[in-house]
Amino acid sequence: GDSVTQMEGPVTLSEEAFLTINCTYTATGYPSLFWYVQYPGEGLQLLLKATKADDKGSNKGFEATYRKETTSFHLEKGSVQVSDSAVYFCALGANAGGTSYGKLTFGQGTILTVHP
Amino acid sequence: DAGVTQSPTHLIKTRGQHVTLRCSPISGHKSVSWYQQVLGQGPQFIFQYYEKEERGRGNFPDRFSARQFPNYSSELNVNALLLGDSALYLCASSLGDRVKRGELFFGEGSRLTVL
Repeated sequence: GDSVTQMEGPVTLSEEAFLTINCTYTATGYPSLFWYVQYPGEGLQLLLKATKADDKGSNKGFEATYRKETTSFHLEKGSVQVSDSAVYFCALGANAGGTSYGKLTFGQGTILTVHP
Repeated sequence: DAGVTQSPTHLIKTRGQHVTLRCSPISGHKSVSWYQQVLGQGPQFIFQYYEKEERGRGNFPDRFSARQFPNYSSELNVNALLLGDSALYLCASSLGDRVKRGELFFGEGSRLTVL
């Protein structure tokens, strides 16, 4: 079945450092890929998405490229801020022709803490 | 506009009891999905409903059931509660029936503690 593997956490960085959170997936066909973020005390929010190979999703300075050849969707940001401290989840959704409509398969999450 | 709203936000039950969790989707959204998030793990898919019909079911026992009402709100019911059911239960709504075309909008969740 579908699965998502995220890098072991937590990750602790100083402000303005470069961030990479690795994500690899196993799925049949061509899933959609997502990064969701959960800020303290808030619900999950979609950060960015990519729906086909080589697409780059971007938002709030974060980027991730859908790499089918390496089945990866790594999250990057060039300069993190204290306000980026949160839990980040990589997720995949079913193929366009699949029957798993509202089902996302999530990774285990990576806790990011950014210090001033 | 209101986002996805869930109630109650916190509740404590004892083993063997029953619980009902409620979700109101964003206005205009016809799809509701339920997820279980155990502490330290990613959310796990439980159910999806679209236009009041079940469209997907995750690997959860029959003690878990759900339904969607004509106004698209939804209830998740869990019978015969076990300690392992302690988790944050998330509801998500979407405009369309397929995740590929749309994104899921999550509520803040209902935190269930089973003693």
